[in-house]
Amino acid sequence: NAGVTQTPKFQVLKTGQSMTLQCAQDMNHEYMSWYRQDPGMGLRLIHYSVGAGITDQGEVPNGYNVSRSTTEDFPLRLLSAAPSQTSVYFCASSRTDSGEQYFGPGTRLTVT
Amino acid sequence: AQSVTQLDSHVSVSEGTPVLLRCNYSSSYSPSLFWYVQHPNKGLQLLLKYTSAATLVKGINGFEAEFKKSETSFHLTKPSAHMSDAAEYFCVVSGGKIIFGKGTRLHILP
Repeated sequence: NAGVTQTPKFQVLKTGQSMTLQCAQDMNHEYMSWYRQDPGMGLRLIHYSVGAGITDQGEVPNGYNVSRSTTEDFPLRLLSAAPSQTSVYFCASSRTDSGEQYFGPGTRLTVT
Repeated sequence: AQSVTQLDSHVSVSEGTPVLLRCNYSSSYSPSLFWYVQHPNKGLQLLLKYTSAATLVKGINGFEAEFKKSETSFHLTKPSAHMSDAAEYFCVVSGGKIIFGKGTRLHILP
């Protein structure tokens, strides 16, 4: 089992560019989520999904889109990158919302 | 709506002394509660979880936490700190959405 994988590990974008952060899990987990981690702010929930075809907003959804066409994949799209989106992004999955979350290694994104 | 508040952003203790990291939560449901740890430049690891069974929950590395519904608290404790416990600790509440606290950085003094 690879667990939760994220690509890329590092990315530098210019303001206004778009990109997709990839996340995949091979544990057949229904629940997947995206967080951003900023110093002193903990992990803030961006979007989450309770199963294929179902997504919902978290605490900080503005500027990000998600979709969940399969159980395995949960990509995060930045539509028009802004410097305020400079952060470390973590994808996580769990069997349910009350189960242990398994985290990917993170993507460090810098927007200049 | 649910939320979680970690009452201290930094805690310093001497090696061999007890550790107390405080967490209060708010939830409309009967929540699941977790503590995760993140060592510098590492990923997140589950320490322990509460899911409406015993109110005193034992986790890895000698940590435990007590669920107190009347106080809406889920404080993390360890009887004797080790240098290897230096890390950032996150309290997490789940009831639909999974919400993290802002974290408490634990410093261990030699």
